[in-house]
Amino acid sequence: DAGVIQSPRHEVTEMGQEVTLRCKPISGHDYLFWYRQTMMRGLELLIYFNNNVPIDDSGMPEDRFSAKMPNASFSTLKIQPSEPRDSAVYFCASSLGGSGGNYGYTFGSGTRLTVV
Amino acid sequence: SQQGEEDPQALSIQEGENATMNCSYKTSINNLQWYRQNSGRGLVHLILIRSNEREKHSGRLRVTLDTSKKSSSLLITASRAADTASYFCATDADVQKLVFGQGTRLTINP
Repeated sequence: DAGVIQSPRHEVTEMGQEVTLRCKPISGHDYLFWYRQTMMRGLELLIYFNNNVPIDDSGMPEDRFSAKMPNASFSTLKIQPSEPRDSAVYFCASSLGGSGGNYGYTFGSGTRLTVV
Repeated sequence: SQQGEEDPQALSIQEGENATMNCSYKTSINNLQWYRQNSGRGLVHLILIRSNEREKHSGRLRVTLDTSKKSSSLLITASRAADTASYFCATDADVQKLVFGQGTRLTINP
């Protein structure tokens, strides 16, 4: 398996524009997590899915953020409209079981988002 | 609030020395995990220790767990420049997700 695949790797957009981040989890993993990482706030869990169903979205900052997982092999995180304070690195991770068992979480390489 | 808190926040040592990082947590856990993050990359799972284990080894890594003190330590022996990274502990107080600490930034000086 190629691991968790995120795209794009880098995104620069203007304030007010819509941004869509994409994630392909590892085949067979039943959990998918979206995290945001900044220097100030560290690693924040935004939302996670179990078997494609959103379980907890309490970490989503506000209604401008939405996430979907239409099937087991694809998830998106959308920000509309984007704001400069959304600038961060966004990670997708997948696992077998909520805590990942013996192998833990597998993280993607992240999307570095810059909103100007 | 964060379930896991790493200490120190930053650590700088000479190559060849041992590096020790600590993690404290607040509630009961099933297991505790350690991850490494190289600059600009995603986190990588290093090792898992279960609540009924006290010590675990993997190569140059040694992890200890003291559930009575709700703390864990990660020891990297004979450090190398390639060990320069941030290290995070993660706990599963909620069985459906891990909660990560703020991390320890480790720098190995040649």
